[in-house]
Amino acid sequence: DAGVTQSPTHLIKTRGQQVTLRCSPKSGHDTVSWYQQALGQGPQFIFQYYEEEERQRGNFPDRFSGHQFPNYSSELNVNALLLGDSALYLCASSPGSAQETQYFGPGTRLLVL
Amino acid sequence: QQQVKQSPQSLIVQKGGISIINCAYENTAFDYFPWYQQFPGKGPALLIAIRPDVSEKKEGRFTISFNKSAKQFSLHIMDSQPGDSATYFCAARTSGSRLTFGEGTQLTVNP
Repeated sequence: DAGVTQSPTHLIKTRGQQVTLRCSPKSGHDTVSWYQQALGQGPQFIFQYYEEEERQRGNFPDRFSGHQFPNYSSELNVNALLLGDSALYLCASSPGSAQETQYFGPGTRLLVL
Repeated sequence: QQQVKQSPQSLIVQKGGISIINCAYENTAFDYFPWYQQFPGKGPALLIAIRPDVSEKKEGRFTISFNKSAKQFSLHIMDSQPGDSATYFCAARTSGSRLTFGEGTQLTVNP
């Protein structure tokens, strides 16, 4: 049973560009959450998708957007990249029940130059 | 009110010793408190978790102590091993499974 998978593992972009990160949830999980982890800090919640809709959103600008597909996989899009967007982007999945905890993928390391 | 405060920032323990990491929160709407372990270059891995109606939970060498009135909880790692060297994050969850993380504690266990 594969856990949460993310692609790509590493990515280098320049300021102003756009990026798309991808996540496949753990088998049986239908809820996907995205987090940004800056170096030396704890993960910060970006948003959560359930039934192909954004269910919750953290304190991130509209440059951050997402999508969930019918197979529960998800994408995170970031437009107009800034240097400060350099971070590890983590995807976490969980079953639809709010009582279950989240399982994290290995992350995508994004470097903005 | 959404913050979770974690201490210490770093911790050095000798092999066989006890590692203790503390967290405090303000939001009484938090209903689930997991601890995650993260190795360099990896995503956080769930270690142990507790709900606020329980004061203590033990799984192997890992124990969570929870003080609801003080809004504090802690992780105790007994018989610490060099393989436990990692960054540990406490977290708290509100309904809908959104997690709020502490700042992290970098644990080093010397052989």
